[in-house]
Amino acid sequence: AQSVTQPDIHITVSEGASLELRCNYSYGATPYLFWYVQSPGQGLQLLLKYFSGDTLVQGIKGFEAEFKRSQSSFNLRKPSVHWSDAAEYFCAVGAIFGNEKLTFGTGTRLTIIP
Amino acid sequence: EPEVTQTPSHQVTQMGQEVILRCVPISNHLYFYWYRQILGQKVEFLVSFYNNEISEKSEIFDDQFSVERPDGSNFTLKIRSTKLEDSAMYFCASSGTGVNEQFFGPGTRLTVL
Repeated sequence: AQSVTQPDIHITVSEGASLELRCNYSYGATPYLFWYVQSPGQGLQLLLKYFSGDTLVQGIKGFEAEFKRSQSSFNLRKPSVHWSDAAEYFCAVGAIFGNEKLTFGTGTRLTIIP
Repeated sequence: EPEVTQTPSHQVTQMGQEVILRCVPISNHLYFYWYRQILGQKVEFLVSFYNNEISEKSEIFDDQFSVERPDGSNFTLKIRSTKLEDSAMYFCASSGTGVNEQFFGPGTRLTVL
């Protein structure tokens, strides 16, 4: 069965510092991987996605993620965080084609300190 | 840019009442989904729907739940007799043919009292 692990429940970083959020997945075929961001009480905004091509993928708001097949990881990074990046971040995995469900991780809550 | 819309944004109901959550998927999409997120928890899959049939459902999606595409634009989730534990944010999503990129709506927050 497919699964996503986000080992960090809560991360605190200083504004302007770099950020890395970890995501490990288990999937039986080539995965389609996603990162979503959710502000309190809001919906899910897609940050970036990957299923083929360059393993370093760029997303919105200055985020990027790197796919590492050997480590079954898809970590999210940002070189310099802004206070507005404080939110909950979810990694998800699904099939590339068809209408298979997405499986989400438990999320990482990001707090930014001045 | 086309988007998935959901109504209402917040619904409050009494335990045992029926609720219908509505979604308008992106117009040329063929696959539709419902997910839910209990407060503070992860997003969980409920059901997927294609060609007027359920494609897949999770163990959460029991006999109290049903989905329908009553016309060419709406996709609904009905909970027949709500329980306290149904309180959650419910997200609708849709995807087209080709790659499985699901576009999510803003969610409906359901509160069961």
